[in-house]
Amino acid sequence: QVQLVQSGSELRKPGASVKVSCKASGYTFTHYAMNWVRQAPGQGLEWMGWINTNTGNPTYAQGFTGRFVFSLDTSVSTAYLQISGLKAEDTAVYYCARSLIAATPDFFDCWGQGALVTVSS
Amino acid sequence: QSVLTQPPSVSEAPRQRVTISCSGSSSNIGNNAVKWYQQLPGKAPKLLIYYDDLLPSGVSDRFSGSKSGTSVSLAISGLQSEDEAHYYCAAWDDSLNGVVFGGGTKLTVL
Repeated sequence: QVQLVQSGSELRKPGASVKVSCKASGYTFTHYAMNWVRQAPGQGLEWMGWINTNTGNPTYAQGFTGRFVFSLDTSVSTAYLQISGLKAEDTAVYYCARSLIAATPDFFDCWGQGALVTVSS
Repeated sequence: QSVLTQPPSVSEAPRQRVTISCSGSSSNIGNNAVKWYQQLPGKAPKLLIYYDDLLPSGVSDRFSGSKSGTSVSLAISGLQSEDEAHYYCAAWDDSLNGVVFGGGTKLTVL
């Protein structure tokens, strides 16, 4: 079945970096784009952007440029989110979610289980 | 402050019907397809409605979506305790060039 499995929880100090993975299975990886969504503790969902798995071209939402990098390893059907210069306010659950490759993101029909990133000294 | 506006909470008794509203503007809901996601406590979101009013395979037909202008609604009939969750509307925003979510509505089944 279609599945997105994310890496586990991470604890980092302010200023450090973290890389979250999202491994896809059950479908052709390059037929769907991968989106990233942030959910701060007790808060709503926030779209961070997406990456075209065909071209590798990433698009970042406002507020997620500079310290956030989306990447791929298509040989293992895995998408990555790297965050550098971590701040306390980056503490959140990060979800990957697939959508059809189109001019703009379509509906997110499959989500990863989420990866909790905690930033604390 | 979310671009799409939802009530923070709604509540209703079991077996009753409840609606959750989501209002936006011409740059998002008024010009693009709306999706609804259900997030059960401690779980990842799940697609509930897409293209304003379509149900993905496996989603109960107790859920329905509708759209009028720059507002949408999610209706849940025959409420059950397992419907207790947060519900989020979402759409592409042409002005912001991004996906925008509502702030989420917490549904309590009394």
